[in-house]
Amino acid sequence: RKEVEQDPGPFNVPEGATVAFNCTYSNSASQSFFWYRQDCRKEPKLLMSVYSSGNEDGRFTAQLNRASQYISLLIRDSKLSDSATYLCVVYNTGFQKLVFGTGTRLLVSP
Amino acid sequence: GAVVSQHPSRVICKSGTSVKIECRSLDFQATTMFWYRQFPKQSLMLMATSNEGSKATYEQGVEKDKFLINHASLTLSTLTVTSAHPEDSSFYICSARVAGGNNSPLHFGNGTRLTVT
Repeated sequence: RKEVEQDPGPFNVPEGATVAFNCTYSNSASQSFFWYRQDCRKEPKLLMSVYSSGNEDGRFTAQLNRASQYISLLIRDSKLSDSATYLCVVYNTGFQKLVFGTGTRLLVSP
Repeated sequence: GAVVSQHPSRVICKSGTSVKIECRSLDFQATTMFWYRQFPKQSLMLMATSNEGSKATYEQGVEKDKFLINHASLTLSTLTVTSAHPEDSSFYICSARVAGGNNSPLHFGNGTRLTVT
């Protein structure tokens, strides 16, 4: 089992739609969680950290469920510019390194 | 704006040659930088941790003699792919933490797309 698993998608949604991605992680001792955005053939860019109580940044909401070991990302009112691959990233406390999921691809169409 | 700069962004080289990639931290000092590699449709894989003034720490399966890392200053780390082969063709990305502990997020350079012919 991969340490961080994501549905690769693609998720095809129309502009204005709400879309949610889930990511599961296997290491129950993981402490920190992040969502990154990666555009095609570009470097990943930090979208937001994920806090235990859940957090929101504009149209983006991140949630953490420690009991079920998953994090989620909700995007409201999707824009064409949201089309990208969204990477789930978990900090492995034991090995002290960030572990990246393979990403979920989102395609927002007019 | 960018906090980590990487150069070159793209390089094509012939099999058997060596390629050097530079990673610079902008406006901050990075005692530690990280080198990742990403093959198409795969996740980023950590290759090595570059430590200023000391030897790099390589992940399992990464040949230290093939991927030479030098972190001679607090703002510059270099990765040299020696005797490159077509299977080394990949997207190489460096990263660093601007602040915070080991569990803080990383900021990435713009990446180097290496094609070995």
